[in-house]
Amino acid sequence: EVQLVESGGGLVQPGSSLKLSCVASGFTFSNYGMNWIRQAPKKGLEWIALIYYDSSNKYYADSVKGRFTISRDNSKNTLYLEMNSLRSEDTAMYYCATGVYYFDYWGQGVMVTVSS
Amino acid sequence: DTVLTQSPALAVSPGERVTISCRASESVSTRMHWYQQKPGQQPKLLIYGASNLESGVPARFSGSGSGTDFTLTIDPVEANDTATYFCQQSWNDPTFGGGTKLELK
Repeated sequence: EVQLVESGGGLVQPGSSLKLSCVASGFTFSNYGMNWIRQAPKKGLEWIALIYYDSSNKYYADSVKGRFTISRDNSKNTLYLEMNSLRSEDTAMYYCATGVYYFDYWGQGVMVTVSS
Repeated sequence: DTVLTQSPALAVSPGERVTISCRASESVSTRMHWYQQKPGQQPKLLIYGASNLESGVPARFSGSGSGTDFTLTIDPVEANDTATYFCQQSWNDPTFGGGTKLELK
């Protein structure tokens, strides 16, 4: 059974940093592109970053480019999102998801709240 | 960015047929995908490539369309289909529609 488990969220102040993790199991993690997708409270979905299976390519939404970094460790079956210079508008549930063109498996999400 | 527009809400009775539409601001060919999200849960892939049913998804769900106009159909609707449905395009950087909240009468 495919499982994606996110962690690392919490309440942080504007301007601070946070690093999210997503541990994968039940499939060959090193074969799959992986994404971070977020959803602000009562809002729609926003794709924010993609990393290829071998980390050869990384893509970001304009809203996070230069502030967020996606990475992965295939030896640990783990995806990361390093978030710097956090803003109130980054407050959202953050999901990791498999896929390159569409997202076939999603984690349960981790909440990030940016507030003073 | 490609903007996807969905009607915000629909209400139907169990057993009826419902169509949920998604219009793209530019052609996305058939690179349109559909998700179901129930309250408090993560989204679930239903349809990929405009019309391909994801494994394990009931055949009551179907998708159609190409270019700028796409449709997700549920026939017949069941009580547990109450959810918000999102379209997503992958012609360029992925974007999602605002979601259509489906309620049952």
